[in-house]
Amino acid sequence: DSGVTQTPKHLITATGQRVTLRCSPRSGDLSVYWYQQSLDQGLQFLIQYYNGEERAKGNILERFSAQQFPDLHSELNLSSLELGDSALYFCASSPTGLSTDTQYFGPGTRLTVL
Amino acid sequence: GQQVMQIPQYQHVQEGEDFTTYCNSSTTLSNIQWYKQRPGGHPVFLIQLVKSGEVKKQKRLTFQFGEAKKNSSLHITATQTTDVGTYFCAGDAGNNRKLIWGLGTSLAVNP
Repeated sequence: DSGVTQTPKHLITATGQRVTLRCSPRSGDLSVYWYQQSLDQGLQFLIQYYNGEERAKGNILERFSAQQFPDLHSELNLSSLELGDSALYFCASSPTGLSTDTQYFGPGTRLTVL
Repeated sequence: GQQVMQIPQYQHVQEGEDFTTYCNSSTTLSNIQWYKQRPGGHPVFLIQLVKSGEVKKQKRLTFQFGEAKKNSSLHITATQTTDVGTYFCAGDAGNNRKLIWGLGTSLAVNP
């Protein structure tokens, strides 16, 4: 158990819909990362937050947005969903957000878009 | 842009055989990390390498960072079925903020 929690575990929705994925970091960690992992694909870094502020951006689509709240939990919003958005979405957390930090991954949210 | 390439993409071995995965960067890395993701699981941190030419061992696993800090390798001696999974490398190209992830090497071990 990494200490990172993600809800929900599974999500099934239809094309065109909007969903919100939630992540609670490990106690004491200030930085949160979001990743997308499609079937047989590697980890695609989406976005990173540190103490409420966006720190780094990866291959995040304009239809996707995220934020980190004052209590440090984070939400990833996916809108106008397409079939290709079906994937496993991981959240990770780390203490300082520097690249030398170990990243602790949550169990993931599996999104299925029908 | 900055890239980290991992080879091979897939590897099947017989239990007891050795296995190596390679990570190559187009730019010099300030550090590199390795993670393992078991089937159905999430990535778990294995190790971080920082120094040029660094070699670290964890039981049957040997990690190396190249002298030029542009490549790294993970070698597993005498694979076991518990080694099954995908191994990812992730490196920092110098801004100390963002890791660039490789696509991973998936290892299958036949008992």
